[in-house]
Amino acid sequence: GNSVTQMEGPVTLSEEAFLTINCTYTATGYPSLFWYVQYPGEGLQLLLKATKADDKGSNKGFEATYRKETTSFHLEKGSVQVSDSAVYFCALITAGGGNKLTFGTGTQLKVEL
Amino acid sequence: DTGVSQDPRHKITKRGQNVTFRCDPISEHNRLYWYRQTLGQGPEFLTYFQNEAQLEKSRLLSDRFSAERPKGSFSTLEIQRTEQGDSAMYLCASRSTGGASYEQYFGPGTRLTVT
Repeated sequence: GNSVTQMEGPVTLSEEAFLTINCTYTATGYPSLFWYVQYPGEGLQLLLKATKADDKGSNKGFEATYRKETTSFHLEKGSVQVSDSAVYFCALITAGGGNKLTFGTGTQLKVEL
Repeated sequence: DTGVSQDPRHKITKRGQNVTFRCDPISEHNRLYWYRQTLGQGPEFLTYFQNEAQLEKSRLLSDRFSAERPKGSFSTLEIQRTEQGDSAMYLCASRSTGGASYEQYFGPGTRLTVT
């Protein structure tokens, strides 16, 4: 079956620090990969996505590259802000089976001044 | 387009009571999904609809759970004889199968607390 493994949090960084949140996956078939973000008290929002190997998804300064050889999709940002404090979820979809999302357990990011 | 909405946002109920949640998807979306998220975990798939047809149910969806989407628009999720283990955030998402994107759009969720 499909599964996603994320690094455990919380991750605490100072503002303007570099961020990496690791994500690896196992999948039956060729997955599409996603990062979702959940701000306090809000629903999940799609942050970025990649649908094939070597694709780079990017949004709001965040980037992630689809690495098929290492089955990874690590999230990075060069300079985090306090407003980036949230929970980040790595997820995947495979074709068929209703295209339901399989999520990792989430990584909480806290950014301090 | 007002996005996916869910009602209520919070529900506190006593063990053994029945509860019903509603989800209104984005109007042109034919697929609707329900997920459950417990504290400290990622969302887990419960069930999904294509128009009014319920096409898949997770093993997480016990006999006490029932979901409907009678006219292919809004959906309801009912939990009968609630148990404390049902306490969670229930998330609804929708998408259109008409395009190439698999993106699902999520509602704000309904937080259920069973006392």
